[in-house]
Amino acid sequence: DIQMTQSPSSLSASVGDRVTITCRASQTINTFLNWYQQKPGKAPKLLIYAASSLQRGVPSRFSGSGSGTDYTLTISSLQPEDFATYYCQQSYTNPLSFGGGTTVEIK
Amino acid sequence: EEQLLESGGGLVQPGGSLRLSCAASGFTFRTSAMTWVRQAPGKGLEWVSSITGSGGSTYYADSVTGRFTFSRDNSKNTLSLQMNNLTADDTAMYYCTKGAKTWDSWGQGTLVTVSS
Repeated sequence: DIQMTQSPSSLSASVGDRVTITCRASQTINTFLNWYQQKPGKAPKLLIYAASSLQRGVPSRFSGSGSGTDYTLTISSLQPEDFATYYCQQSYTNPLSFGGGTTVEIK
Repeated sequence: EEQLLESGGGLVQPGGSLRLSCAASGFTFRTSAMTWVRQAPGKGLEWVSSITGSGGSTYYADSVTGRFTFSRDNSKNTLSLQMNNLTADDTAMYYCTKGAKTWDSWGQGTLVTVSS
């Protein structure tokens, strides 16, 4: 089974900051990597698929990159509505698996 | 607009059974693979089960294999998750999602609580 490790588990940032979240897979997943955003009490929302493709309707301040085992989600200029928990997920093979999540909090 | 509406959650005793449903609308259901993802209170996300558009193939996490059965009725645009022999570890919000391995639409979730 593929293990997904996210870091950090939480971070504090200010509006306007550049934020980077990393995700490492226990084996290569060939860019089969998705990112989701979840706000308290709400269902997750797909942000990025296939490592770097922006889901329709998602602001362009979100971007994804990476290859092999290492991937990154970047928010170029943090906005108030971006405070949430972010999860990576490998879509390479079953059993599908998520990272543990990164909570972005207001500094 | 794509919509997914789960129902059937509730309180059940350990060892009991529960059947979750998901009603889909706003997209071509019969050609869409579908998936259940769950989230224990205060915890992360966990893939539970996926089903192909035809319903001919299903896939399960090891944690639910042999206890959960995922099915669909393409004539009614509905999904069902039959959950048997439930344990406290199955306590979670259960989300119905569209897609096989990447999930671009999610329902609001239905809460399952396993407790005596």
